[in-house]
Amino acid sequence: VQLVESGGGLVKPGGSLRLSCAASGFIFSSYGMDWVRQAPGKGLEWVAVISYAGTNEYYADSVKGRFTISRDNAKNTLYLQMNSLRAEDTAVYYCASSGNYGGNNPFDHWGQGTLVTVSS
Amino acid sequence: DIQMTQSPSSLSASVGDRVTITCRASQSISTYVNWYQQKPGKAPNFLIYGASSLQSGVPSRFSGSGSGTDFTLTISSLQPEDFAVYYCQQSYTTPYSFGQGTKLEIK
Repeated sequence: VQLVESGGGLVKPGGSLRLSCAASGFIFSSYGMDWVRQAPGKGLEWVAVISYAGTNEYYADSVKGRFTISRDNAKNTLYLQMNSLRAEDTAVYYCASSGNYGGNNPFDHWGQGTLVTVSS
Repeated sequence: DIQMTQSPSSLSASVGDRVTITCRASQSISTYVNWYQQKPGKAPNFLIYGASSLQSGVPSRFSGSGSGTDFTLTISSLQPEDFAVYYCQQSYTTPYSFGQGTKLEIK
């Protein structure tokens, strides 16, 4: 299993960025996928999840209405469109797969992360 | 929203020690708790799911227990590679949430 994030960088407050996560080594279209972030020196914060078919999405309150999670199962790729970015969105963003373990859905595989910095 | 509270926030221990980290949920979440280990500059590593089931490949010195609101992660005999930050996480319902982390340091 490999998850490789890209698209991070420096963006001004109010700006937009789209992150991508290229998946390989598993049947991508069978798994829910999540974004989790970690601000510098802080703990982990769940951001969003999308179902395996892309029909259901859920978001943390902190990003609802500004971020959109999506996926392209033909390309084995997960996305996070981030709009109206704020300084508090500065973090390493990880994509993670949601394995199905007897009804539990832990984040069983993680990418290496991509850093998003929101600053003027 | 469900809050996950870990204790302690940091812990100093020696190689060979037995350590326990606790995690409390703000409401009952059955056994929908998972545990992760994170080393500096690295992505988290998945250890335990369903409160007590060890992920494949994780050493048997790691164990988890609990149900409802109170959960524990125990390392039976600390090894040098176990010094890291540990997080609990609830997958009972969205928004999913993590504990604030427990930093396990070498004494």
